[in-house]
Amino acid sequence: DTGVSQNPRHKITKRGQNVTFRCDPISEHNRLYWYRQTLGQGPEFLTYFQNEAQLEKSRLLSDRFSAERPKGSFSTLEIQRTEQGDSAMYLCASSSGTLPSPLHFGNGTRLTVT
Amino acid sequence: DQQVKQNSPSLSVQEGRISILNCDYTNSMFDYFLWYKKYPAEGPTFLISISSIKDKNEDGRFTVFLNKSAKHLSLHIVPSQPGDSAVYFCAASEDNAGNMLTFGGGTRLMVKP
Repeated sequence: DTGVSQNPRHKITKRGQNVTFRCDPISEHNRLYWYRQTLGQGPEFLTYFQNEAQLEKSRLLSDRFSAERPKGSFSTLEIQRTEQGDSAMYLCASSSGTLPSPLHFGNGTRLTVT
Repeated sequence: DQQVKQNSPSLSVQEGRISILNCDYTNSMFDYFLWYKKYPAEGPTFLISISSIKDKNEDGRFTVFLNKSAKHLSLHIVPSQPGDSAVYFCAASEDNAGNMLTFGGGTRLMVKP
């Protein structure tokens, strides 16, 4: 068990560029979650998957945000046409889905949009 | 509209004493509550949880209390240790699987040796 892995750890991009983040969950976990955390705030839920099915995506912040988990293993979060307000820590988490099933978080990807 | 609030942004406690972190919520549909701890440059780490059918859950030095009528949650750490210094988040979910957590803003705990 190597924990939830997120890459890259840091990403600096210019406004208007697209960015993609990757998350590798704990191998036996079938649920995967994306959260965003801005400075001084708690994490904010974005979306989650059970296996390859995206069960909730209405909380994605705009249509510039999309997430995939094509084979039910790793997931990607893409932000198109980045804006300065997208600068934040993007956290991925996974869980086994069996009750109780607390989320195990990765160390996040810090995005800075200049 | 913050559904989960941690009104104390910081708390300082002497080593060996009790730390009490508080959390209030407004959504009566919340069914499952959790506490996470976060160190700098790391993701949140799960500490302890409680279902709405209970009013107390204990795990070693950590105890979570739930007062549903007051919509209030607290985390007690006793005895506090310097390694407990971190930011603590309470979180709540409308389902007992913990999907779609709503987090509070966090409380920074500092335990002084």
